[in-house]
Amino acid sequence: EAGVTQSPTHLIKTRGQQATLRCSPISGHTSVYWYQQALGLGLQFLLWYDEGEERNRGNFPPRFSGRQFPNYSSELNVNALELEDSALYLCASSLLGSGANVLTFGAGSRLTVL
Amino acid sequence: AQRVTQPEKLLSVFKGAPVELKCNYSYSGSPELFWYVQYSRQRLQLLLRHISRESIKGFTADLNKGETSFHLKKPFAQEEDSAMYYCALKGSSNTGKLIFGQGTTLQVKP
Repeated sequence: EAGVTQSPTHLIKTRGQQATLRCSPISGHTSVYWYQQALGLGLQFLLWYDEGEERNRGNFPPRFSGRQFPNYSSELNVNALELEDSALYLCASSLLGSGANVLTFGAGSRLTVL
Repeated sequence: AQRVTQPEKLLSVFKGAPVELKCNYSYSGSPELFWYVQYSRQRLQLLLRHISRESIKGFTADLNKGETSFHLKKPFAQEEDSAMYYCALKGSSNTGKLIFGQGTTLQVKP
């Protein structure tokens, strides 16, 4: 069974540009979560999608947004990139109804903003 | 405020020595706590959760509500235990949010 897949593995952008990161959950998982892992800041909760709806978002500005598609895959968009957005972005998925009980993580997408 | 604290950034022990990775939490209500682990060049993965009360790879963790702690323990460390360990707290009901500690790097020396 394929795990959570994320693309791209690495992404380099300049300040002010937009970045799009993609995530495919484990088959059968309907919830997708996004976390930011910035140097020295640990894992910070970004967004939670379930059944195509945004269920919750963390303490991040509105330029961080995303969506979940009918096949439960998800995109994370970061607009007007700033240097401090440089981080590893982790996607995770879980079964419907289990909330955040058990997360299966992807390998991450490393975003570098120059 | 809901918070997870892992006071040690790095814990270095010799093979065969006991290991205790500390985790303290702040949460009003009944917490649900987890330990996640990330081995070198591997993904972050669940190690154990307190409600399962199981031992995984020789590790156990007991929830101590009085001390608001969920320390991870193993009686005899192995070199393959070297990894980054994260303690995590499930936030308020149905927020979908896990609150992670800063992580502790466990280094097991031969």
